[in-house]
Amino acid sequence: ETGVTQTPRHLVMGMTNKKSLKCEQHLGHNAMYWYKQSAKKPLELMFVYSLEERVENNSVPSRFSPECPNSSHLFLHLHTLQPEDSALYLCASSQGQGADGYTFGSGTRLTVV
Amino acid sequence: KQEVTQIPAALSVPEGENLVLNCSFTDSAIYNLQWFRQDPGKGLTSLLLIQSSQREQTSGRLNASLDKSSGRSTLYIAASQPGDSATYLCAVRLSNDYKLSFGAGTTVTVRA
Repeated sequence: ETGVTQTPRHLVMGMTNKKSLKCEQHLGHNAMYWYKQSAKKPLELMFVYSLEERVENNSVPSRFSPECPNSSHLFLHLHTLQPEDSALYLCASSQGQGADGYTFGSGTRLTVV
Repeated sequence: KQEVTQIPAALSVPEGENLVLNCSFTDSAIYNLQWFRQDPGKGLTSLLLIQSSQREQTSGRLNASLDKSSGRSTLYIAASQPGDSATYLCAVRLSNDYKLSFGAGTTVTVRA
């Protein structure tokens, strides 16, 4: 495996469910990110982790809960979501603050019903 | 707050024509700028990264220029092919910031 891997690729969940998105990077980077991409809108930063510490939380509702157990793994725990949370969730990684750029995963397409 | 604008929102050209995609940003104190490609429903693929001290970067048929003082970057794609059909995103990082600010993208269709 190389680059940034996200699982699952697609997820359909009810509003009362609890699910988790997983991201793994194999690049030796020390910063990881969650972005949300909704239809017709620019990508929005949700969370940033650097050296496993959360350094940015971009006013995201508490129904989204990130976890970074080590520098290679990042999770996004989901509970009691709303239909408007349906979107493509993208994980990215960088070395430090991205002097060499960012690498993105393929995303998880989430549908809340 | 950094605002990133991409014009045009959509572009349709015949195969072989050169493509010119524009990106503008409001805060010129950037650290670097990155161009990405996104195929429908997929993740982002990095195309070119330009550091704030650079004027341009080239990779194959792709060339990106950066004019930091005027807050502009342009992505040129030479001799377009149907496989170039995708959405192209511009992203800017400010100095001392983890955050990437994205434009809404330009959706390109290259007609065979």
